[in-house]
Amino acid sequence: AQTVTQSQPEMSVQEAETVTLSCTYDTSENNYYLFWYKQPPSRQMILVIRQEAYKQQNATENRFSVNFQKAAKSFSLKISDSQLGDTAMYFCAFMKQRREGKLTFGQGTILTVHP
Amino acid sequence: NAGVTQTPKFQVLKTGQSMTLQCAQDMNHEYMSWYRQDPGMGLRLIHYSVGAGITDQGEVPNGYNVSRSTTEDFPLRLLSAAPSQTSVYFCASSSRAPTEAFFGQGTRLTVV
Repeated sequence: AQTVTQSQPEMSVQEAETVTLSCTYDTSENNYYLFWYKQPPSRQMILVIRQEAYKQQNATENRFSVNFQKAAKSFSLKISDSQLGDTAMYFCAFMKQRREGKLTFGQGTILTVHP
Repeated sequence: NAGVTQTPKFQVLKTGQSMTLQCAQDMNHEYMSWYRQDPGMGLRLIHYSVGAGITDQGEVPNGYNVSRSTTEDFPLRLLSAAPSQTSVYFCASSSRAPTEAFFGQGTRLTVV
């Protein structure tokens, strides 16, 4: 079975600064996907960024980037130039490449961006 | 394109009552799942389906029942609601070559 751990229950950052959210996972699979989802107060689950395990290059999406360390089973999210709209709960999640579509989630990190 | 639609958005039940949370997707996705979200525990898998007529249990299946008679619909039934089932419930779907999961808006359920 897979496990995903987010060790930071809460984080805060000043607007325009950079913040990094941590995630570690455990799996015996070699091929899988890793995700960061954002959940604002509206409760909607929004995909922020996705990483395929077979790709060595770290994924980036505008101000969001990841540091994927496969051997260390680490998958951190860096948010640059933080904005007030980034305030949300962030979940790290794991999905096997095998055809089931099931996600294993971490506990979540509440990020607050202060003006 | 509606994506994944969950109803209702909010529900209050009395202990022992039964109800069905509805989930429908219009993306022709084979895979559908139900999760519950509790503080400090992230989202946990209740049941999932890899296609019409095929369902299986996830991490926390007790007290819940599912069926999948069509590709589009995947209802979640609470057989006899308990206060421990107070939670936020999410339905999700993904394609056979899954690169992400698409989520419904969630249902906040309170059992009193």
